[in-house]
Amino acid sequence: ETGVTQTPRHLVMGMTNKKSLKCEQHLGHNAMYWYKQSAKKPLELMFVYNFKEQTENNSVPSRFSPECPNSSHLFLHLHTLQPEDSALYLCASSQRHNDQPQHFGDGTRLSIL
Amino acid sequence: EDKVVQSPLSLVVHEGDTVTLNCSYEVTNFRSLLWYKQEKKAPTFLFMLTSSGIEKKSGRLSSILDKKELFSILNITATQTGDSAVYLCAAPPGNMLTFGGGTRLMVKP
Repeated sequence: ETGVTQTPRHLVMGMTNKKSLKCEQHLGHNAMYWYKQSAKKPLELMFVYNFKEQTENNSVPSRFSPECPNSSHLFLHLHTLQPEDSALYLCASSQRHNDQPQHFGDGTRLSIL
Repeated sequence: EDKVVQSPLSLVVHEGDTVTLNCSYEVTNFRSLLWYKQEKKAPTFLFMLTSSGIEKKSGRLSSILDKKELFSILNITATQTGDSAVYLCAAPPGNMLTFGGGTRLMVKP
């Protein structure tokens, strides 16, 4: 139990669907992150939120839309995804932006048909 | 361009062996280097290194950083099957955490 909970654990969707990934942290942290982990590629940082404000967008396509309603919750809204978007999406949190280490959730395994 | 490179890509050993995993980095505004262990789920934090030459230990695992040569190693002694995982190295250049591709370690009984 890392204190970071992601749902759903697995998601299969078509390219025209709209779905959302959810992340919740119970650690009292103020910074939250989305990462993408594709097969045989390094973990890629997608978005960073610090005190609910987005501070980094690592050139992520607009079909991925993050939302951070409060410091404990982070969403990733998905629409019109492509097959190459199939990956493990990991959420992480840290006390503050730039603090290390980050604590990771178990991820959502996303498959795009 | 910031990069973190890990070697070897994969490694198969037998229980009881000692392994050394390597991580080299080139990042701007280097502040720390981190090691994580990833089994099937969340990467779990192992070590954070900020100073050269100071070994950090946790049980059978240890790690050290060389800021002059820009690399770190992770040692695992007396390996066990439970050590089988992907080991990730990461360095935050400024605000971004850059990960290496990982070393996949398999420990056979």
